[in-house]
Amino acid sequence: SQQGEEDPQALSIQEGENATMNCSYKTSINNLQWYRQNSGRGLVHLILIRSNEREKHSGRLRVTLDTSKKSSSLLITASRAADTASYFCATVLGMDSSYKLIFGSGTRLLVRP
Amino acid sequence: NAGVTQTPKFQVLKTGQSMTLQCAQDMNHNSMYWYRQDPGMGLRLIYYSASEGTTDKGEVPNGYNVSRLNKREFSLRLESAAPSQTSVYFCASSEWLGPEYQETQYFGPGTRLLVL
Repeated sequence: SQQGEEDPQALSIQEGENATMNCSYKTSINNLQWYRQNSGRGLVHLILIRSNEREKHSGRLRVTLDTSKKSSSLLITASRAADTASYFCATVLGMDSSYKLIFGSGTRLLVRP
Repeated sequence: NAGVTQTPKFQVLKTGQSMTLQCAQDMNHNSMYWYRQDPGMGLRLIYYSASEGTTDKGEVPNGYNVSRLNKREFSLRLESAAPSQTSVYFCASSEWLGPEYQETQYFGPGTRLLVL
């Protein structure tokens, strides 16, 4: 399988703390994306980092990518209870209109008020 | 602009019954996808359609068929449901703008399917 794997599987933190989730993958990628899923809902795209980028920011999110180690991390700073959700990394395979996303198994984040 | 819509939201089937899950998008996207998500796991790609008139198998296509009815609609059919197909099914769509501009996917709210 070429799936990304997130670590840890579950994370519980206090509101205001930072949350870090890691993703490892197996093959060369075009880009890597992070998605969020609230309980019982569909996935929502958070951020995309291309294979030639090392770090990207979006609001309280910071994503890093290390292609030599085939790994990425998602940092959520100053977490809020509303950040409670599952977070998935997805690697992109293919360079044409039939590109596919391969999802990891996710990190379940609980932010305690 | 509703985005990606799915029907039904929830369905219970008996083993051997058939059903079709419907998906529609109003974003004029070329590509559409069907995924399944099992408890505690990520999404696995069942089938996808890169453009109207084309469909391709994903990671777990066995037991399913799809139809890209037109640019807006992409349906998933279970011909003879099995308990192993109990899952949450998500439809998604995306736009292809070229290899340097790979777009994200937009997801529907999901269909919860229980096969007894």
